[in-house]
This record gives sequence, C-alpha cells and structure tokens, in this order.
Amino acid sequence: GDSVTQMEGPVTLSEEAFLTINCTYTATGYPSLFWYVQYPGEGLQLLLKATKADDKGSNKGFEATYRKETTSFHLEKGSVQVSDSAVYFCALWTGANSKLTFGKGITLSVRP
Amino acid sequence: NAGVTQTPKFQVLKTGQSMTLQCAQDMNHEYMSWYRQDPGMGLRLIHYSVGAGITDQGEVPNGYNVSRSTTEDFPLRLLSAAPSQTSVYFCASSRWDSSGNTIYFGEGSWLTVV
Repeated sequence: GDSVTQMEGPVTLSEEAFLTINCTYTATGYPSLFWYVQYPGEGLQLLLKATKADDKGSNKGFEATYRKETTSFHLEKGSVQVSDSAVYFCALWTGANSKLTFGKGITLSVRP
Repeated sequence: NAGVTQTPKFQVLKTGQSMTLQCAQDMNHEYMSWYRQDPGMGLRLIHYSVGAGITDQGEVPNGYNVSRSTTEDFPLRLLSAAPSQTSVYFCASSRWDSSGNTIYFGEGSWLTVV
C-alpha cells in the first residue's frame, strides 16, 4: 500500500539556518505530493504541493521538488524564522483509495 | 467563504457517552473525509465520502459512524466514547482542478474522553 516516510524529529535550528526535511514515499500509480504545516494549537494548512514528476512546489520561502526517480519530496528553506516553528507533514494522494496518506510529522523549533 | 467549518473545537466526554462532531463546507466539494491525529502517528483516515449518499471506511473506522445526506455536511458520530478515542479530529474536503487535487482542512476538534 501507499506510505510516506519522514525523517525522525524533532529538529531544532537557529534563526536564518538552512532547513531540509526529508520525505520519501511508496505509492501505486502517480501520486500528488503535499506538505502541510500545523502551527501550535491550530489546524492543518497546505504549505505547497506538486502533482507530477519534476514539479516544484513553493510557498513562503519553502520549496519541494517531486523526484520520481528517488521517490522523494524533500522540503527546503534557505533561511528559517522563529515563526516557522511548527509541525510539518508530508502527504500523498493517489486517488485510488480516495485518501491522503500522511507521514508521522516532524516538529521544527527555531530559536532566535 | 468559510471553507471547512468544524464544531465543537473542544469537547470532554465521559466513557460511554455519544456525541457528534459537525463538519460543513461551502465550496460544493464532492469529496469529504474525517481524520484523527495522534502523537507520533500522523493523521489516519476514519471515514470518507465521495458524494451525497455515499460513504466508506478508512483505516480506523471502528467506533465511528458517518452519513452524508447533503453535499455540505459530513458529521462524525462517536457511538460509545472510549479513552482510546481521545484525539484531535480533522475534517477535510477536496476538489480537482487544473492544478490537481486541492484538499482543505477544518481547524480541528480536540476531544478528550475520560
């Protein structure tokens, strides 16, 4: 079945550091890939998405490229801010079973 | 445009009580779903619906019921609450467009069963 694997957390960075959060997947068919962010005490917000191989999703300085050859969708940001502290979820959708499959999420803490 | 609205946001139940989590969307989306979020487990699908009158089970359906009498509403019923159902619940709706599938989440319902 479909699955999403995220790197183990939590991650703590200093402000302005470079961020990479790894995400790999297994899926039947051709999934759409997503990153969601959850700020403390809030719901899930779509951060970015990519629907086909080599697509790059970007938003708020975050980027992720759909790599079919390595089945990956790593999230990157060049310079993190304290306000980026949140839980980040990688997810995929194939439509075959009508559900989003989520990774376990990773908590990012950015210190001033 | 309200998007996906969930109520209540917080609820404490006693074991054995029943309750309904409400979910409504005003975007005319056909697809709606319920997830639960537990620490270290990501989000898991409880039930989903691909249109009014059609529902199906997800990964963790036991102890929950759903119905979809209208396109807008997709309530989740806990039949007899158990401490294992303490969780954060998210309702979602989605549509397909030229950029693929866009999925919108509600703000979540924090449920504690004591």
